Amino acid sequence: EVQLVESGGGLVQPGGSLRLSCAASGFTVSGYEMNWVRQAPGRGLEWVSHIHISGTTIYYADSVKGRFTVSRDNAKNSLYLQMNSLRVEDTAIYYCARGRGISHWGQGTLVTVSS
Amino acid sequence: DIQMTQSPSSLSASVGDRVTITCRASQGISSWLAWYQQIPGKAPKSLIFAASNLQSGVPSRFSGSGSGTDFTLTISSLQPEDFATYYCQQYNTYPFTFGPGTKVDI
Repeated sequence: EVQLVESGGGLVQPGGSLRLSCAASGFTVSGYEMNWVRQAPGRGLEWVSHIHISGTTIYYADSVKGRFTVSRDNAKNSLYLQMNSLRVEDTAIYYCARGRGISHWGQGTLVTVSS
Repeated sequence: DIQMTQSPSSLSASVGDRVTITCRASQGISSWLAWYQQIPGKAPKSLIFAASNLQSGVPSRFSGSGSGTDFTLTISSLQPEDFATYYCQQYNTYPFTFGPGTKVDI
């Protein structure tokens, strides 16, 4: 069974950093394209980033470019989102999702940026 | 960036109704469109990929159609568990973009 489990969310001050993890099971992350998608409270879905199977081609939304970095650890079968210079508007539930046309979603982890 | 619009933004329906939601892309995306369902407080669930292909385990009352710029999600006979918000997403061109959502309620 395919499972994605995010962790690492929490409360952080503006300007701070946080690293989210996404542990995959039931498949190997190195064999699939993966995404990060977020949802601010009461708002719609926003695509954040996409990593190719190669692991070296990565795209970001303009709203996070230069501040967020996606990486993958094949040995741990996990995906990561390093978030730096966090802003209040980055407050959201962050989902890890599998596939170019997404087939599976994690349960999400809440990131709150507030002073 | 490709802009995605959905109509209507919300609709009221009853169990057994046929429901149609439209998604439009600001430029052609071939068939690179997906539909997702989200129940409040839950993670999104994937329904359809490549405009018309059902994800595994999705009931056959859901169907998708369209290509280019205009797409449709149809629920042939609305069930109580289908009351949710539905989003389309294009994955033809970066940045991948979502529609604003269509809320289906009673």
